[in-house]
Amino acid sequence: QVLLVQSGPEVTKPGASVKVSCKASGYTFTYYGLSWVRQAPGQGLEWMGWISAYNGNTNYAPSFQGRVTMTRDTSTTTAYMELRSLRSDDTAVYYCVREAETAGTVYFLYWGQGTLVTVSS
Amino acid sequence: DIQMTQSPSSLSASVGDRVSITCRTSQSISSYLNWYQQKPGKAPKLLIYAASNLQTGVPSRFSGTGSGTDFTLTISSLQPEDFATYYCQHSYSKMFGQGTNVEIK
Repeated sequence: QVLLVQSGPEVTKPGASVKVSCKASGYTFTYYGLSWVRQAPGQGLEWMGWISAYNGNTNYAPSFQGRVTMTRDTSTTTAYMELRSLRSDDTAVYYCVREAETAGTVYFLYWGQGTLVTVSS
Repeated sequence: DIQMTQSPSSLSASVGDRVSITCRTSQSISSYLNWYQQKPGKAPKLLIYAASNLQTGVPSRFSGTGSGTDFTLTISSLQPEDFATYYCQHSYSKMFGQGTNVEIK
């Protein structure tokens, strides 16, 4: 079965960076894109960006452009999301998500368990 | 950029009630609209894709309608396990609506 296993919780300081990993299994890694979605405490879902597992092409949401980098390692079937210049309002649960597509519609079918990133001085 | 507006932001309902949640977009998105359910402390779960297609394993009391700019998620008879937050999502931009919290009356 499809599994996305994310790295553990992180506590970090304002101005620092964090890198979250997402280990994929149960499918051919390069066949599907991966998105990252975050959710601040008590808030809604916020799409951060997408990476093609096939060629590494990325598409970042405007609000994260310049501060986020998404990469992948096909040899280990792992995706990474690095967020820089962290602020307290970056405190959130970060999810990796594997897409699926039917008749031209892309949807988020498989979700990682989430990684809590806490930014605090 | 396409703006997505869900309404209401929250609602209170009883078991057995028929519940409808609306998602309106700032421009036409054809049928490129998905719906998710999220329970506290859990990752979201796909309910409906392409506006009206029920994801495998999702109970038939959930249905989705609409196209263009106006979409509706309907729960025909609310069950105790349906109390959750619901999000719409534009398939192309991947952006989410702000969510609708369905609470027990």
